[in-house]
Amino acid sequence: EAQVTQNPRYLITVTGKKLTVTCSQNMNHEYMSWYRQDPGLGLRQIYYSMNVEVTDKGDVPEGYKVSRKEKRNFPLILESPSPNQTSLYFCAIRGTDTQYFGPGTRLTVL
Amino acid sequence: RKEVEQDPGPFNVPEGATVAFNCTYSNSASQSFFWYRQDCRKEPKLLMSVYSSGNEDGRFTAQLNRASQYISLLIRDSKLSDSATYLCVVNSYGFQKLVFGTGTRLLVSP
Repeated sequence: EAQVTQNPRYLITVTGKKLTVTCSQNMNHEYMSWYRQDPGLGLRQIYYSMNVEVTDKGDVPEGYKVSRKEKRNFPLILESPSPNQTSLYFCAIRGTDTQYFGPGTRLTVL
Repeated sequence: RKEVEQDPGPFNVPEGATVAFNCTYSNSASQSFFWYRQDCRKEPKLLMSVYSSGNEDGRFTAQLNRASQYISLLIRDSKLSDSATYLCVVNSYGFQKLVFGTGTRLLVSP
């Protein structure tokens, strides 16, 4: 069974302090993606990656960076977090028919 | 107008009841459709795909009406464990992006 792990699961930080949320998968899937979920707005895609060194913007990429140097990892980087990036973040992989999500990272930016 | 729209609920039903959720989508070129289930603060999990001919999985039945651009989910004999938020999900852009509704909350009471 495909497994997606995210770390940390919970993080409280302050404005401007760079942070990275890691995402790893154990099934050699090519496609990985990051979403954020906010009340009343649902899940929105931040970035996605079709393969190593191939990344593209989703609907809400501002304030985020990603990298895909190896297939199993797809970290999400917030260079200078702001309070409006307080959210629940999910990493996802694509299975045979749809996407499967990691357990989520709850981020609070003060 | 949102690309995928759902009634947010909550739907409050007693155990054993039958409940139905509808979802409308705006992109007529949408290719595939899903229902996900999300428990509070956890990751969305695939409940079932939705096929043009309709499909059933135990107590759950999904229907797709392409002409009217809506999707439905019927839950029969509701259980307490069915309490969750149900997300309508549409794939309109190849497999790299899913578009999520904001979810319909279901509360099943004893």
